Amino acid sequence: AQSVTQLGSHVSVSEGALVLLRCNYSSSVPPYLFWYVQYPNQGLQLLLKYTSAATLVKGINGFEAEFKKSETSFHLTKPSAHMSDAAEYFCAVSRPYNTDKLIFGTGTRLQVFP
Amino acid sequence: NAGVTQTPKFRVLKTGQSMTLLCAQDMNHEYMYWYRQDPGMGLRLIHYSVGEGTTAKGEVPDGYNVSRLKKQNFLLGLESAAPSQTSVYFCASSYGADSGNTIYFGEGSWLTVV
Repeated sequence: AQSVTQLGSHVSVSEGALVLLRCNYSSSVPPYLFWYVQYPNQGLQLLLKYTSAATLVKGINGFEAEFKKSETSFHLTKPSAHMSDAAEYFCAVSRPYNTDKLIFGTGTRLQVFP
Repeated sequence: NAGVTQTPKFRVLKTGQSMTLLCAQDMNHEYMYWYRQDPGMGLRLIHYSVGEGTTAKGEVPDGYNVSRLKKQNFLLGLESAAPSQTSVYFCASSYGADSGNTIYFGEGSWLTVV
């Protein structure tokens, strides 16, 4: 079975500060890992994905995530937060050829203060 | 750039009533999905389809039915609505089984059952 755990349902940062959203996964096979962002009253949008190539993955809007097998982690970071980054972020895991088995975490709401 | 379109966007139902949510995608995707999103629980897969004329159960299928009569459409039905089905429903689609394929989401349908 696969699962993801997002540590912290709410994260608050000041504009310009580092953003760090934590995600740990559990998987019996090499996983594919994803980060999605959801802005208020909108659907989910893919930020970035790890599909067993480079362990440091760069996504849209300046976000990146690093796959660390030894720590079973896939934390999302951004060096400098912007007000427009305020949203809910979801980590997700799947097997490589099972899109139907995409398992989402419970989400982390990011607040950015001026 | 329509992408994934859901109708209706908002609906209030009385307990026991029935309704259908319609999802349409214009990207020629084979796979389509229905998720529900509840506070603190992330997204959970209700049903999905791997092609026209096929459907399969996801994580939380009870109380829902689906149909995929045309490749571009995926309908979610509630035969007898219950307050526990109050949720935000998201339709999504992707090219195929490889999880490397991005899943595209609609903007959501807010359903309240009273």
